[in-house]
Amino acid sequence: DGGITQSPKYLFRKEGQNVTLSCEQNLNHDAMYWYRQDPGQGLRLIYYSQIVNDFQKGDIAEGYSVSREKKESFPLTVTSAQKNPTAFYLCASSMGFSTQYFGPGTRLTVL
Amino acid sequence: GQQLNQSPQSMFIQEGEDVSMNCTSSSIFNTWLWYKQDPGEGPVLLIALYKAGELTSNGRLTAQFGTTRKDSFLNISASIPSDVGIYFCAGQTDSNYQLIWGAGTKLIIKP
Repeated sequence: DGGITQSPKYLFRKEGQNVTLSCEQNLNHDAMYWYRQDPGQGLRLIYYSQIVNDFQKGDIAEGYSVSREKKESFPLTVTSAQKNPTAFYLCASSMGFSTQYFGPGTRLTVL
Repeated sequence: GQQLNQSPQSMFIQEGEDVSMNCTSSSIFNTWLWYKQDPGEGPVLLIALYKAGELTSNGRLTAQFGTTRKDSFLNISASIPSDVGIYFCAGQTDSNYQLIWGAGTKLIIKP
């Protein structure tokens, strides 16, 4: 089946630790995105990548890092510099500028 | 970042009622997207609109691309319990990977 997978579904980390969220797509989409969603809020763009080995900051990139070494993979690292990392993280992909399709999300909780 | 004005913020309706929600923007968009998000899941695309004045249906859902290109509307006819969730609108300009998101409309069906 074609789609976007995110793992893990739930993630717990201690304060001060870095953690990496996985996002994989087999849709052959060029572009991939990471969003953050807080309870009762909309989606805010963290980073996006239009092509392999290239990515741009979104609206709330501070405390996050990404890489795009392969077309199908776009991992997000939440660093210790992110002061309030507890949130629901969503990955999406699109073919060029077109419609974005989302993965199931990862809920990160900082203990 | 810029956000769309999505209203209403929440709706309490009876099963079988029709539902209307809308999004407005100060910017002109070339694409309007409507998504639905269930709790703990990623948003799922409902309807995509690419042309001013376009009216598109997906089952009991109908969405319209406003003629001013600054607004869009989503209607749900004869609501059922599985319609419960949060509905998001998103707008996009040409040659821009970034979507501009509304804050969501939470639909609750009264028992």
